[in-house]
Amino acid sequence: GQNIDQPTEMTATEGAIVQINCTYQTSGFNGLFWYQQHAGEAPTFLSYNVLDGLEEKGRFSSFLSRSKGYSYLLLKELQMKDSASYLCAVRMNNAGNMLTFGGGTRLMVKP
Amino acid sequence: GAVVSQHPSWVICKSGTSVKIECRSLDFQATTMFWYRQFPKQSLMLMATSNEGSKATYEQGVEKDKFLINHASLTLSTLTVTSAHPEDSSFYICSTGTGTYEQYFGPGTRLTVT
Repeated sequence: GQNIDQPTEMTATEGAIVQINCTYQTSGFNGLFWYQQHAGEAPTFLSYNVLDGLEEKGRFSSFLSRSKGYSYLLLKELQMKDSASYLCAVRMNNAGNMLTFGGGTRLMVKP
Repeated sequence: GAVVSQHPSWVICKSGTSVKIECRSLDFQATTMFWYRQFPKQSLMLMATSNEGSKATYEQGVEKDKFLINHASLTLSTLTVTSAHPEDSSFYICSTGTGTYEQYFGPGTRLTVT
């Protein structure tokens, strides 16, 4: 089976940096994804990690440690529009493109 | 990126009726599509994997006779919620992949059963 854990809610201040953690326990890991989802909308792709290390893309970065079953999403220079849910999802071997999602982290950015 | 559409975007139906939701891949052939359900303030829960030309694979706890999935062509999968009840009210999202790592989501369908 698989178990994917994220904090339920986080609050941060506009302009600051926030790190959203995700831990997972799966059999046959084959990639980890981060998605952003605003209320009432579909998730949008943020990042993909399959090898250890940091992937940077503008204000967003994602880190993966396969040996620790751990990832984080780092958001810099927070903006009010970054208030959303952030979903960590794992793809397993032999599962094609099927993703298993964590519970999501609701981030609230305050002025 | 690939484009996935869903129809309708929202629907209200009476308890006991059936509702069909369509998911279309607009610019590529999708042999596999995924159907998710999302309750308020919760994450996406995979309901079933829809395979073109064959039966869908349902996740544990999802009633296949209640949530009928048809994937008759490479660009269309449908989810029919039969004999809907208020507890079926949810946000239903489909997705598919192109064989690369990224998965593309439809805009979602909000179902409200009264």
